[in-house]
Formats: sequence, C-alpha cells, structure tokens
Amino acid sequence: ETGVTQSPTHLIKTRGQQVTLRCSSQSGHNTVSWYQQALGQGPQFIFQYYREEENGRGNFPPRFSGLQFPNYSSELNVNALELDDSALYLCASSSRLDRAEKLFFGSGTQLSVL
Amino acid sequence: SQQGEEDPQALSIQEGENATMNCSYKTSINNLQWYRQNSGRGLVHLILIRSNEREKHSGRLRVTLDTSKKSSSLLITASRAADTASYFCATEAYTGANSKLTFGKGITLSVRP
Repeated sequence: ETGVTQSPTHLIKTRGQQVTLRCSSQSGHNTVSWYQQALGQGPQFIFQYYREEENGRGNFPPRFSGLQFPNYSSELNVNALELDDSALYLCASSSRLDRAEKLFFGSGTQLSVL
Repeated sequence: SQQGEEDPQALSIQEGENATMNCSYKTSINNLQWYRQNSGRGLVHLILIRSNEREKHSGRLRVTLDTSKKSSSLLITASRAADTASYFCATEAYTGANSKLTFGKGITLSVRP
C-alpha cells in the first residue's frame, strides 16, 4: 500500500458527460501528477499540480483539468467525455517538484465511457 | 508519446528461473525507473538508476543502464509465481520547473509454478 487513495474505483459514463476523479496524496507529499493508462499501454502524463497550481501538462486537451487543495488532495475533471477517454486514471504523489523520483501511485479509477 | 520501449512484450518462465527485461529510450534522461503493475492496478516503484550509474541492486533485482546505447535491463533472479505482473520502464527528463515520467508499453511476465 502506498498511502495514495483514489475514488471511485470504477465509473461508467456516457459520451458527452462530465466526470470528476479524486485523489488523496501520501502524507507529506505536496506534488500530485495524473496519468492516463489505456488498455495495453503504459501510463501517459496528463498534468502535475504543486501548491494548488498546474505545473506541467502533457499532450491532453483543455477539457482535461484539475485542482489541488490546501491539504494536497487533488481532482481530475474531464468534460465532454469521448469514447477514447475510457482508461485507467492513475494519481501519483511525490515530495519533490523538480524530480520525478519514486512516485507513489494510487490504485486508479477505471473509467468506462459508453 | 512513449519514450521507453520494452522488450520482449511478453515473457513466460518457470519458477526459479531468471527473468531479463530490456528497455530502450530515445532522449537524454536524468534517471530510469522500473515499476510493476498487478492486474491493471496501481504501479509500484521497484528500482531507480541515475544517468551517472551503470548498475544497481535491490534484493533479487538488478538493473543496468547504458546511456551510450540508451538502454536498460532489469534482471529478476530466482523468480517466483508472485512476480507475475506487468513491468514498465519509465524515464525522467528534467524539463526546467517540473518533471514527469515517460513510460513504455510494458512487459507482461508470467512465472509458472
């Protein structure tokens, strides 16, 4: 167990809907990153949050957005869901902003878009 | 985009045998890490090797890094059925104010009892 918790574990949505995924960081970690893992692929970096601000973004459209709260927990929001958004969404926390060393991952949220 | 490319894509061995997995990458890196994932769950960090290191050990794990060839290998010795999982290499490249990991597609390891 890494101490990073994500909710919900599974979610089913229909195309066009909006979804919010939640993540609680490991204690003492102030940096949160979100990754998308499609079936049979490796995780793809979505974005990173530090001190409640987005601090780096991967190749994902603006309908993917996030928040980080003062207690370092985080949310991932996806608007106008598309079928290709079906994936495992992973949250990872770390204690360093400038180094992605030993990320601690949650168990993920499996999102299915029908 | 995927930075790391693991090889082979799938590996099946008998319990007690050694498992060797390879990873190649394209750009300069700060470090390379290996992660394990069980059945589509979260990833667990296994080992990290920095760009100025050539070999590291951790328990039954041995990782090597050849920056001239942009490649790494992960060796799991005396494999166990519990080692059955997907293994990913991930590279970290410092981009200024932040950092991210770029993962390969992974290797599926099956260890037969």
